[in-house]
Amino acid sequence: QSVLTQPPSASGTPGQRVTISCSGGSSNIGSNSVHWYQQLPRTAPKLLIYRNTLRPSGVPDRFSGSKSGTSASLAISGLRSEDEATYYCAAWDDSLRGVIFGGGTKLTVL
Amino acid sequence: QVQLQESGPGLVKPSETLSLTCVVSGYPITAGYYWGWIRQPPGKGLEWIGSVYHTGSTDYNPSLKSRVTISVDTSKNQFSLRLSSVTAADTAVYFCARAFNWDDAFDIWGQGTMVTDSS
Repeated sequence: QSVLTQPPSASGTPGQRVTISCSGGSSNIGSNSVHWYQQLPRTAPKLLIYRNTLRPSGVPDRFSGSKSGTSASLAISGLRSEDEATYYCAAWDDSLRGVIFGGGTKLTVL
Repeated sequence: QVQLQESGPGLVKPSETLSLTCVVSGYPITAGYYWGWIRQPPGKGLEWIGSVYHTGSTDYNPSLKSRVTISVDTSKNQFSLRLSSVTAADTAVYFCARAFNWDDAFDIWGQGTMVTDSS
């Protein structure tokens, strides 16, 4: 069971806006940055959002991140078939003194 | 272009030690950044194993700390993972990755290497 809680699945139709939540606590999301990764099947994770809201070069602005208190969210607008992947949130945990990942959310584009 | 490439045996006998190396190209490890190992059991999520700074300073996942050693070899521009007393639960794809700081995102990842216990 992960310290960061994500819904196991999400879905949407092309063009729709989808949000994925990540819930944590005061020792992780509440006091540190949240990062989001996209993992396509049989590939390495790819950094999507870092430090809560920032997008690495090359990541479309359809992807956005937010954080409030001990929760964070990833929003994907203008959903496309190639967005079908598993999305992970991650953060440093001050109590564990280590990086923790959410359990992952598998996004299906209907 | 910075690239990371994992290498090591794909099979490890139970109770023995898993050893993997991550070769970094296009960026000198001594220039900074933290270098980490993350694993993913088949069909499951990501688990951080630990990270090392170029000075040799390390952070480990508390659940694995007693069995893990991560070290850096600046002369070869690579870093390594050793995981002792392997069991079936250690079967996973092992990724190496780079992070700007100890609490920052992993911005570049290796392709991953599958390690299976031979039982």
